[in-house]
Amino acid sequence: GDSVTQMEGPVTLSEEAFLTINCTYTATGYPSLFWYVQYPGEGLQLLLKATKADDKGSNKGFEATYRKETTSFHLEKGSVQVSDSAVYFCALYGGATNKLIFGTGTLLAVQP
Amino acid sequence: NAGVMQNPRHLVRRRGQEARLRCSPMKGHSHVYWYRQLPEEGLKFMVYLQKENIIDESGMPKERFSAEFPKEGPSILRIQQVVRGDSAAYFCASSPDRRNEKLFFGSGTQLSVL
Repeated sequence: GDSVTQMEGPVTLSEEAFLTINCTYTATGYPSLFWYVQYPGEGLQLLLKATKADDKGSNKGFEATYRKETTSFHLEKGSVQVSDSAVYFCALYGGATNKLIFGTGTLLAVQP
Repeated sequence: NAGVMQNPRHLVRRRGQEARLRCSPMKGHSHVYWYRQLPEEGLKFMVYLQKENIIDESGMPKERFSAEFPKEGPSILRIQQVVRGDSAAYFCASSPDRRNEKLFFGSGTQLSVL
């Protein structure tokens, strides 16, 4: 069935470091791909999305490119801030199921 | 325009008691989804409801769990005879239509079973 695999955390970085959080997926057809962010004590918020191959989603300095050939949607940011500390979830919609499927989440901790 | 409202934020129950979690979707949204987040795991889909109808409950445990979304009032996730393994964060999300590719999430209810 459809699934999302993302790198385990926690990921600990210093402020202004480069961030990559890996995400790969398994799905039939051509799903839409998402990154959600969960700040401490809050619900999930949509960070960015891409709906077809080679699309790049971007928001707040974060980017992710839909790579069909490698079934990946890695999240990147050139210079992280302490305020980026949160849990990041990769997700897909479409494929075999009509529901949003989440990865296990990756905790990012940015130190000043 | 208020977001998705969940209450309570924290709920403590002893084993064997009942837990009721409430979710009010965003204004104008008639589609509600419940997800459960267990420690060290991602969000797992539980149930999808529209007003007065359960559309997909494939993620709901077969026993003790039920959900409703009445014509008036919030959606309710009900857990009877709670056990320690039910301790988790329960998130509600809503969307304006059937395509749930963009969901708006509430802040969740943290259920702790003693």
